Amino acid sequence: DPKIIQKPKYLVAVTGSEKILICEQYLGHNAMYWYRQSAKKPLEFMFSYSYQKLMDNQTASSRFQPQSSKKNHLDLQITALKPDDSATYFCASSQDLGGRYEQYFGPGTRLTVL
Amino acid sequence: GQQVQQSPASLVLQEGENAELQCNFSTSLNSMQWFYQRPGGSLVSLFYNPSGTKHSGRLTSTTVIKERRSSLHISSSQTTDSGTYLCALDWGTGYQNFYFGKGTSLTVIP
Repeated sequence: DPKIIQKPKYLVAVTGSEKILICEQYLGHNAMYWYRQSAKKPLEFMFSYSYQKLMDNQTASSRFQPQSSKKNHLDLQITALKPDDSATYFCASSQDLGGRYEQYFGPGTRLTVL
Repeated sequence: GQQVQQSPASLVLQEGENAELQCNFSTSLNSMQWFYQRPGGSLVSLFYNPSGTKHSGRLTSTTVIKERRSSLHISSSQTTDSGTYLCALDWGTGYQNFYFGKGTSLTVIP
């Protein structure tokens, strides 16, 4: 059974629209993260959450807003979508925040903005 | 600034050959992790190895902090090993912000 679920797997949106990417983890972890992978670029850290609190934000744009309704949920709302937002978005989790905890990744949501 | 470099960028092997992938980093790190990214995009953790040597089947990871490098050795490669291998480093400057290298793209041909 998948331990980290991301929905949807694929998403096509038009420029200017708004979308929400869903992430749920069933590993009992306390920390969750979002990463982005654009074409031909390294995976890029976006946000980290611990016990549903935002701990770090490396995303310059306020159009990206993480939302945590439960400890094991961390959704990503993206507003005013642009073609440059096209990427695969990965959710990850770890037992707790801190470099000594191994990270586990979800399967990703591939977003295409037309 | 903090940098991570992976080499080679790409590698083609005949099935059965061994591979040595390198990850070099610019400053001392807090932790590091090796991942395998399938052609379809999903990531699989291979090793959490901030220091020393770890083994898992045909894979061996060795991290030498003072030399600022980590290596991933794949022995007796198989076609199913094809994909991208990523190293991710945490310098301890944020809340476990893993910084990823660009990866090594491995193709194993039969």
